[in-house]
Amino acid sequence: AQSVTQLGSHVSVSEGALVLLRCNYSSSVPPYLFWYVQYPNQGLQLLLKYTSAATLVKGINGFEAEFKKSETSFHLTKPSAHMSDAAEYFCAVSGASYGKLTFGQGTILTVHP
Amino acid sequence: EADIYQTPRYLVIGTGKKITLECSQTMGHDKMYWYQQDPGMELHLIHYSYGVNSTEKGDLSSESTVSRIRTEHFPLTLESARPSHTSQYLCASSGSGLHIGYTFGSGTRLTVV
Repeated sequence: AQSVTQLGSHVSVSEGALVLLRCNYSSSVPPYLFWYVQYPNQGLQLLLKYTSAATLVKGINGFEAEFKKSETSFHLTKPSAHMSDAAEYFCAVSGASYGKLTFGQGTILTVHP
Repeated sequence: EADIYQTPRYLVIGTGKKITLECSQTMGHDKMYWYQQDPGMELHLIHYSYGVNSTEKGDLSSESTVSRIRTEHFPLTLESARPSHTSQYLCASSGSGLHIGYTFGSGTRLTVV
């Protein structure tokens, strides 16, 4: 069984500030972990994924995430927020290389000028 | 360019009509999925397929049906649309191994009046 919890359904930051979106997972096997971004009226776009290689994963648009097994976490960060980062972000987990993804509830990121 | 396509992007239809939402991918993926998503809400898996002539119901009960006659094509059908079917429908496909992770279409926003 696998599950994902995203802490905070809404996160608001100022432009230029650090972005931190939290994700905790539960998986009975070593997980594959993902972050997706969704802009209004669009599908989801893959930001980055962890597949048991390096624990610090770099993605597109300056985002990165760190896999911490001891904390069962996979938090998404970006050093400096940009207005174009405003979107909804989804964390997801899979327990196998061929398995279905289980998604978190999503976090809406708002960036203020 | 390998991609996944959904048509139509927007659809407004009357109650009782039969509709088919199209989804096609050019990546040769065996696994395909349909998710239902209300605005600003989480994704709910309604159908998935691991290959031709293989379809399964997802975690969320749905009155829709799917078929998988060709690898690249995974249409979703509603025999009799109702206002409760109003939602966004997202199609995705996935590889395995190093190519794990979903690629999403742009979605179909369905409104039943």
